Amino acid sequence: QVQLVQSGAEVKKPGASVKVSCKASGYTFTSYGISWVRQAPGQGLEWMGWISAYNGNTNYAQKLQGRVTMTTDTSTSTAYMELRSLRSDDTAVYYCARWVPAGTFDYWGQGTLVTVSS
Amino acid sequence: DIQMTQSPSSLSASVGDRVTITCQASQDISNYLNWYQQKPGKAPKLLIYDASNLETGVPSRFSGSGSGTDFTFTISSLQPEDIATYYCQQYDNLITFGQGTRLEIK
Repeated sequence: QVQLVQSGAEVKKPGASVKVSCKASGYTFTSYGISWVRQAPGQGLEWMGWISAYNGNTNYAQKLQGRVTMTTDTSTSTAYMELRSLRSDDTAVYYCARWVPAGTFDYWGQGTLVTVSS
Repeated sequence: DIQMTQSPSSLSASVGDRVTITCQASQDISNYLNWYQQKPGKAPKLLIYDASNLETGVPSRFSGSGSGTDFTFTISSLQPEDIATYYCQQYDNLITFGQGTRLEIK
């Protein structure tokens, strides 16, 4: 069965960076993309970007351009999302999701809470 | 950017009621629209893809319709386990989610 398992909760100070992992299993990793979606406390869903696990091509939300980097390690079927220059409004649960062309998320990770606080 | 406007933002209904949520796109998105269910503390779950296709394993009381700019999500007979927040999502141009509809039991 398809599973996406994310790394654990993080607490970071403003200005720091965080890197969240998402380990996939149960399917051919390079046949799909991985997208990242975040959700601030009590708020809705915000798409952050997408990476092709096949060739590493990325597409980031304009709002996060320059602060976010998405990568994959095909040897371990793991996707990573790094967010830099953290601010308090980056506090959120971060989800990875399997991306079915052209834009459907059919499986999701369990979420990783990132708290940014001084 | 394409804006997605969901209504209502919250809804209270009784078990067995027919529930309808609407989603309006700021421009024509054809049928490039999905619906998700999110229960508290859980990840979203795909219910409907391409506006009207039921995801495998999802109960048939859930349905979706529409194309262009106006879309509808319906629960034909509300069950207690349907209490959740529902989101529409367009993928015609990048990705945008609606602001969500919180569904409660009356």
